[in-house]
Amino acid sequence: AQKITQTQPGMFVQEKEAVTLDCTYDTSDPSYGLFWYKQPSSGEMIFLIYQGSYDQQNATEGRYSLNFQKARKSANLVISASQLGDSAMYFCAIPLGSSGSARQLTFGSGTQLTVLP
Amino acid sequence: DVKVTQSSRYLVKRTGEKVFLECVQDMDHENMFWYRQDPGLGLRLIYFSYDVKMKEKGDIPEGYSVSREKKERFSLILESASTNQTSMYLCASSLPGRTYNSPLHFGNGTRLTVT
Repeated sequence: AQKITQTQPGMFVQEKEAVTLDCTYDTSDPSYGLFWYKQPSSGEMIFLIYQGSYDQQNATEGRYSLNFQKARKSANLVISASQLGDSAMYFCAIPLGSSGSARQLTFGSGTQLTVLP
Repeated sequence: DVKVTQSSRYLVKRTGEKVFLECVQDMDHENMFWYRQDPGLGLRLIYFSYDVKMKEKGDIPEGYSVSREKKERFSLILESASTNQTSMYLCASSLPGRTYNSPLHFGNGTRLTVT
């Protein structure tokens, strides 16, 4: 069964508007974190934002914020005031295993965001 | 800044060839990972390593092996390349320890085509 789900393969948003990218997950770990990454057309994976399951307030990093609803097991990424440079693939990821000292991140299938001028 | 370098940006190999994908990181990270990325499937973990000479299978290890002889270098090996291994391969590293909030730092990827 898929453990992390991004239901929007593609999204469009007008420049300067806000957009929400959905992510739901399934984990039995009592303590975990949720990551969002951005992948522009150049291919590099850029870490955007992180929130731990016990953090009381939703994380924010500049124009990025997380709408983290632990009971619903969802952690949606909100991008405010979209810019053309935000056009990229966005992935959410969660550690769904560990061995030794390594926490293995499992990624969703991604959402391709296109910002329209 | 952490730098993760993958030796090749693009590779074209023939079916049956042995292929080496090299990855080097410069931040003394203990953990290193190999993912492959395919459209609609996101990133899938092939192998990871949490120490020199230590390796663990990820979700899709079949057809691959890895080598970690030095801490900074993690190699992915396709013993006999097949066309279904045509993909984007991403190497990543992360901080040591059971830190669940440590982000992965990725290389720029190697786009491998097997003909």
